[in-house]
Amino acid sequence: NAGVTQTPKFRVLKTGQSMTLLCAQDMNHEYMYWYRQDPGMGLRLIHYSVGEGTTAKGEVPDGYNVSRLKKQNFLLGLESAAPSQTSVYFCASTRDSGAAGNQPQHFGDGTRLSIL
Amino acid sequence: RKEVEQDPGPFNVPEGATVAFNCTYSNSASQSFFWYRQDCRKEPKLLMSVYSSGNEDGRFTAQLNRASQYISLLIRDSKLSDSATYLCVVRYSGNTPLVFGKGTRLSVIA
Repeated sequence: NAGVTQTPKFRVLKTGQSMTLLCAQDMNHEYMYWYRQDPGMGLRLIHYSVGEGTTAKGEVPDGYNVSRLKKQNFLLGLESAAPSQTSVYFCASTRDSGAAGNQPQHFGDGTRLSIL
Repeated sequence: RKEVEQDPGPFNVPEGATVAFNCTYSNSASQSFFWYRQDCRKEPKLLMSVYSSGNEDGRFTAQLNRASQYISLLIRDSKLSDSATYLCVVRYSGNTPLVFGKGTRLSVIA
């Protein structure tokens, strides 16, 4: 019972390089999210998806792209990495909004990304 | 005004103490409320949902005051293992993502 799995767990990039972070969930959840967390800033939503084939912008989408080609996977792409994107990235999923939106989110254990 | 506001702390309390955190939210139409716990360099984990009538889970009690738009978390008989950051979380409607506060840091000292 893996839950939410993020790959890779650590990565160091040079400015201008590109990479893709993978999030996979095995709970058949409809909703998936990508957050970044920086010291003193809390969790900030980058992009999210309410179902296979759909994506939407969150609070801080610039510099990132996402894709949800399969229900279980949500990919976060950095086309041209910048030092400002150094952060811890968390993926999360939830079953669906539920009748009263009371479904909690389940998080992966994070990807620590450093851009030099 | 921040959507979800918390006192960042840190709250330093001795073992066995009772400690309370408050959180305020700006959107009066908010529907769902949670407390998450995050340990250092770990992912957030759901501690408890917050229901309108208030709810308790062992040493933890959560309350919601819709009129004043605040949520509280009370921890009784604090343990060293309670040391963590506690995140207040709000959802405005069924189809919107959760909104996280920046967290309140708790250190329980022996």
